[in-house]
Amino acid sequence: GNSVTQMEGPVTLSEEAFLTINCTYTATGYPSLFWYVQYPGEGLQLLLKATKADDKGSNKGFEATYRKETTSFHLEKGSVQVSDSAVYFCALLPNDYKLSFGAGTTVTVRA
Amino acid sequence: NAGVTQTPKFQVLKTGQSMTLQCAQDMNHEYMSWYRQDPGMGLRLIHYSVGAGITDQGEVPNGYNVSRSTTEDFPLRLLSAAPSQTSVYFCASSRQGGNTEAFFGQGTRLTVV
Repeated sequence: GNSVTQMEGPVTLSEEAFLTINCTYTATGYPSLFWYVQYPGEGLQLLLKATKADDKGSNKGFEATYRKETTSFHLEKGSVQVSDSAVYFCALLPNDYKLSFGAGTTVTVRA
Repeated sequence: NAGVTQTPKFQVLKTGQSMTLQCAQDMNHEYMSWYRQDPGMGLRLIHYSVGAGITDQGEVPNGYNVSRSTTEDFPLRLLSAAPSQTSVYFCASSRQGGNTEAFFGQGTRLTVV
């Protein structure tokens, strides 16, 4: 079946540090891949997406590249801010349109 | 733009009680779904719908019912609440398609005592 494995948290960083959150997936066919972010007390919102192999999604300084050969979609940001503190979810959307999520990674950025 | 609206935001139920979580979207999306969020488990799909009159089960459907009489509304019914259903529930909607963004409501925090 389809599944997403995401780096366990929590992750605590200082401002301006480099952030990477690992995500690997198992899926049949050619799924689309997403990163969603959940700020405290809110619902999830799309951070970035990639729809085919070698696509790079980017938004707000975050990037992730769809690597079919390693079935990965790791999230990176070169210099985090306190406002990036949130829970990050990796997700895949296979051909049956049932979005599958990883367990989520809590990121805390300290000033 | 209202987007996806969920009510209530918080609810406490006694074991055995029933209730309905409401979800409405104003984006004319075909696809709607319900998830529950539990610590360390991410979001798990409860039920989903690909259009009015069509619903199907997700990963964890037991104890929940849904219906989709209109494009806009997708209520989730708990038939007889159990403590294991204590969770945060999210409704989401999206257009049909392989790369479309899902829009989420703010969530309902449900506690069953």
